Amino acid sequence: LAKTTQPISMDSYEGQEVNITCSHNNIATNDYITWYQQFPSQGPRFIIQGYKTKVTNEVASLFIPADRKSSTLSLPRVSLSDTAVYYCLVGDRGTGNTPLVFGKGTRLSVIA
Amino acid sequence: DAEITQSPRHKITETGRQVTLACHQTWNHNNMFWYRQDLGHGLRLIHYSYGVHDTNKGEVSDGYSVSRSNTEDLPLTLESAASSQTSVYFCASSDHRVYEQYFGPGTRLTVT
Repeated sequence: LAKTTQPISMDSYEGQEVNITCSHNNIATNDYITWYQQFPSQGPRFIIQGYKTKVTNEVASLFIPADRKSSTLSLPRVSLSDTAVYYCLVGDRGTGNTPLVFGKGTRLSVIA
Repeated sequence: DAEITQSPRHKITETGRQVTLACHQTWNHNNMFWYRQDLGHGLRLIHYSYGVHDTNKGEVSDGYSVSRSNTEDLPLTLESAASSQTSVYFCASSDHRVYEQYFGPGTRLTVT
């Protein structure tokens, strides 16, 4: 399994764009990069997944460089409600043989 | 609407007792997962199942067991509860896209 490294915590003011970078130097050819968000006292929820270049949805954007050794989750104009823990996971997309591994995540605190 | 539920939401038990945590999903997902979450450790996988009668050990399976007799349910049993098993337990399910898991609300278990 590819090991991921991401910052333990980040602070941001409301209205700013937040970029959380995840390092995964030993990512395999078949691996996808997936991000989850966990609000306090709730279970995590899937927010975005990508393989290369850029993926965007209504919640976030995911940027993946050509070498795929890192990825950046971008949250545009954060609000207080974006305060959560964000997890970066790397794994095979759907064979199911190797379950995803959640690390400790990045605790994002949004300040008014 | 389809959902995933966990019961009880809170449980206090004594050391040495057997405890069973319930997880029920109505998405008809083949894959189900149990995690525990502790401060400083993030989410750790306990057991998982890819279908009826299939069970697999995760990274922290000692002291826990699961059985899958139908698609909807994956109960987690603590054979002899220990104080080290005080934690928040999350159940999750997915279809063949194991990267996109749907999490339950969690069960907070305290072993005294």
